[in-house]
Amino acid sequence: EIQMTQSPSSMSASAGDRVTISCRASQSIATYLNWYQKTPGKAPKLLIYSASILQGGVPSRFSGSGSGTDFTLIITGLQPEDFATYYCQQSFSSPFSFGGGTKVEIK
Amino acid sequence: QITLKESGPTLVKPTQTLTLTCTFSGFSLTTFGEGVAWIRQPPGKTLEWLSIIYWNDEQRYSPSLETRVTITKDTSKKQVVLTMTNMDPVDTGTYFCAYTTVRTMTLENWGQGTLVTASS
Repeated sequence: EIQMTQSPSSMSASAGDRVTISCRASQSIATYLNWYQKTPGKAPKLLIYSASILQGGVPSRFSGSGSGTDFTLIITGLQPEDFATYYCQQSFSSPFSFGGGTKVEIK
Repeated sequence: QITLKESGPTLVKPTQTLTLTCTFSGFSLTTFGEGVAWIRQPPGKTLEWLSIIYWNDEQRYSPSLETRVTITKDTSKKQVVLTMTNMDPVDTGTYFCAYTTVRTMTLENWGQGTLVTASS
């Protein structure tokens, strides 16, 4: 079973900031890594899949990178609607586990 | 347009069996590669992947819940059903179903979620 570890678990940032979120897998998952955004009371929204491919309709200020065990989500120019919790998920092997989440709060 | 909607009881007693239904539209779950997964989120905690069923009836389960969870599909009704036995207060949370394909291996479309509380 693959464990996914995100860091930090929470962070404070201001609108316009560049935000970096890390995700580490307990074993190599190639690029089978997805990123989701979740706000309270709503379903998660797919942002990035295959580590770096932007889902249709997602703003280009979101980007992803990495392969193997280490991955990064970057938000360049944080917008008010980006204050949310972000989750990574591996789709390499079942069970398709999630990371613990990173909450991005307003500074 | 793909949509999914979860339904079921909002309150179950400990030791009871929970039955949740995911009713979908916009896909058939008979096409090669299609799948529906269940994910839950306890209050204040992270997302937890529970189970998935594919177009060919292949099922996968979280090892920690495998003895308690069963997933089935009825494509004529466009429904996927998750049953969880021996409910406990720690099973309280919002339960989501989501559409996936083996091509993308992502949870592309989600239902709105349904809050289930396990309490006496």
